[in-house]
Amino acid sequence: DTGVSQDPRHKITKRGQNVTFRCDPISEHNRLYWYRQTLGQGPEFLTYFQNEAQLEKSRLLSDRFSAERPKGSFSTLEIQRTEQGDSAMYLCASSTAGHNTEAFFGQGTRLTVV
Amino acid sequence: QQQVKQSPQSLIVQKGGISIINCAYENTAFDYFPWYQQFPGKGPALLIAIRPDVSEKKEGRFTISFNKSAKQFSLHIMDSQPGDSATYFCAARGGGSGTYKYIFGTGTRLKVLA
Repeated sequence: DTGVSQDPRHKITKRGQNVTFRCDPISEHNRLYWYRQTLGQGPEFLTYFQNEAQLEKSRLLSDRFSAERPKGSFSTLEIQRTEQGDSAMYLCASSTAGHNTEAFFGQGTRLTVV
Repeated sequence: QQQVKQSPQSLIVQKGGISIINCAYENTAFDYFPWYQQFPGKGPALLIAIRPDVSEKKEGRFTISFNKSAKQFSLHIMDSQPGDSATYFCAARGGGSGTYKYIFGTGTRLKVLA
């Protein structure tokens, strides 16, 4: 297993378009997280899943954002009607469940909205 | 109460010196405190982590010191090398109500001079 995989690595889109990102977690990791990171800032929590259940969603997340993890494996993050303020690095992380767990991040998807 | 405050924002250290980065938190429900290293254009990579029932953890040149009563923890990088030049983030997981999300500090940009 080569770690958390994110696709695409880079995405340029026009304002108003919809985009979808994919995250493949480490095998057998049942927790999956989505974060957003803007330049010079720490990762900001968006949402997380345990298996296929979305357990928490940030109040900062507008209704243009939706995430799914239909079979408890890979996850998708969709942004509808993109805005320039959505330009950021979107990071996915995964971990096993339990207390003594470690979360591992993917390389991220860099979104630029023009 | 959900914030993790990190300092300094930037740090310059001579090769061979000790780099020290500090973080403070308010929420005593946090149960796990990792540190991540991030290079430009890459996802955060887990360095070392500690649970609040331990006061110190060392892995190679990296040490976490944890002060539960003061609600503070710090990362020490011994014998700092130019290759350690990166941005470092502290994080705290949990925060009550059974959540397992991670809250990140704002980051410290470390530059190690050759």
